[in-house]
Amino acid sequence: SQQGEEDPQALSIQEGENATMNCSYKTSINNLQWYRQNSGRGLVHLILIRSNEREKHSGRLRVTLDTSKKSSSLLITASRAADTASYFCATAHAGGTSYGKLTFGQGTILTVHP
Amino acid sequence: EAQVTQNPRYLITVTGKKLTVTCSQNMNHEYMSWYRQDPGLGLRQIYYSMNVEVTDKGDVPEGYKVSRKEKRNFPLILESPSPNQTSLYFCASSLGANTGELFFGEGSRLTVL
Repeated sequence: SQQGEEDPQALSIQEGENATMNCSYKTSINNLQWYRQNSGRGLVHLILIRSNEREKHSGRLRVTLDTSKKSSSLLITASRAADTASYFCATAHAGGTSYGKLTFGQGTILTVHP
Repeated sequence: EAQVTQNPRYLITVTGKKLTVTCSQNMNHEYMSWYRQDPGLGLRQIYYSMNVEVTDKGDVPEGYKVSRKEKRNFPLILESPSPNQTSLYFCASSLGANTGELFFGEGSRLTVL
């Protein structure tokens, strides 16, 4: 399977509920990033968490990173219909011949119903 | 305005007809990269460049070429396009590899008949 796999593949919730998406990866990383993509548009950076950090917040977003389990989660609190989009995690490889590679997962499609 | 600009945004072409997708950024970024996005496969990296005259293969480089003669430009070249290169292509840039957020272009939707 690929580096940076998201789970679930699709998530459907009501406005006001929290949305949690998970990402697992295989190799050592420098940082892990989350991106959002509205249908067919370019990706937009949401948040970056470095390998020596465990948790980070940005507005309604909370990201955790567990390097021992090689996993991360993105929590969107008090979701809004405008949060409807695809969310991707991306892992920045730690070094060696893979330095400079940023690998994306397949994404989680989030639908927030008004 | 800081941006990554790709052209063309949409293109329909035929097998074997060479084409170039241009990418330009105005943020003086060192790192640039090309991705393709296909249903069920997410984004896959084609090539990336750490700086001028420095390029490296990503995960799916076959059938593509790139060049980085100037810092701001990173064109993607399909010498002999085939139908399996029908995809949505994204160019992205950042200050440096592994150092922060990628800024993405709006995408180029390519169809090869």
